[in-house]
Amino acid sequence: GQNIDQPTEMTATEGAIVQINCTYQTSGFNGLFWYQQHAGEAPTFLSYNVLDGLEEKGRFSSFLSRSKGYSYLLLKELQMKDSASYLCAVRFSRGSQGNLIFGKGTKLSVKP
Amino acid sequence: DGGITQSPKYLFRKEGQNVTLSCEQNLNHDAMYWYRQDPGQGLRLIYYSQIVNDFQKGDIAEGYSVSREKKESFPLTVTSAQKNPTAFYLCASSNIGRADTGAFFGQGTRLTVV
Repeated sequence: GQNIDQPTEMTATEGAIVQINCTYQTSGFNGLFWYQQHAGEAPTFLSYNVLDGLEEKGRFSSFLSRSKGYSYLLLKELQMKDSASYLCAVRFSRGSQGNLIFGKGTKLSVKP
Repeated sequence: DGGITQSPKYLFRKEGQNVTLSCEQNLNHDAMYWYRQDPGQGLRLIYYSQIVNDFQKGDIAEGYSVSREKKESFPLTVTSAQKNPTAFYLCASSNIGRADTGAFFGQGTRLTVV
């Protein structure tokens, strides 16, 4: 299988930092994506990692370790509008073009 | 503006009826996808297509059918054979030549069987 695991729910305080972890099976790995999804809406792209290391984009950063099958999304200076589900998705090589396999998402609640 | 459009946003269907969900994109993307989202289940792949007139089953294709007669369009039919069709359906597209951009999603169609 191609299980992708992430915590179901997390709670954090406005202004704080939160880290959302994602683990996956390493076989056939070909890129990892993080998406944000507000309730009832479409997922929107946040970040992409294919090489080891940290990718920073404003308040959001994403880290990847391919050998460990591990990624995290780091959200700094949390705002109330960051309350959403965060989806980890992995592209596995399958023929000429891999497809995205999604984790179940982590529901983040930001409290005042 | 380029984008991906799903219609309708809400759809009600009587049990035993087939229903077709529309998905259109003007991003000139080769690949298109249909996902189903249930509470606590994340997104699960139903069907995908990488080129016109060709499509492949995803993980949960039973009870669904698709067509890809045009690059811009990838409609999904939920047939009466689908045992539990009530769900949030998301269509997506991607540029095969740009691995770093992932998939772009439509706004989704919430299907309820009554």
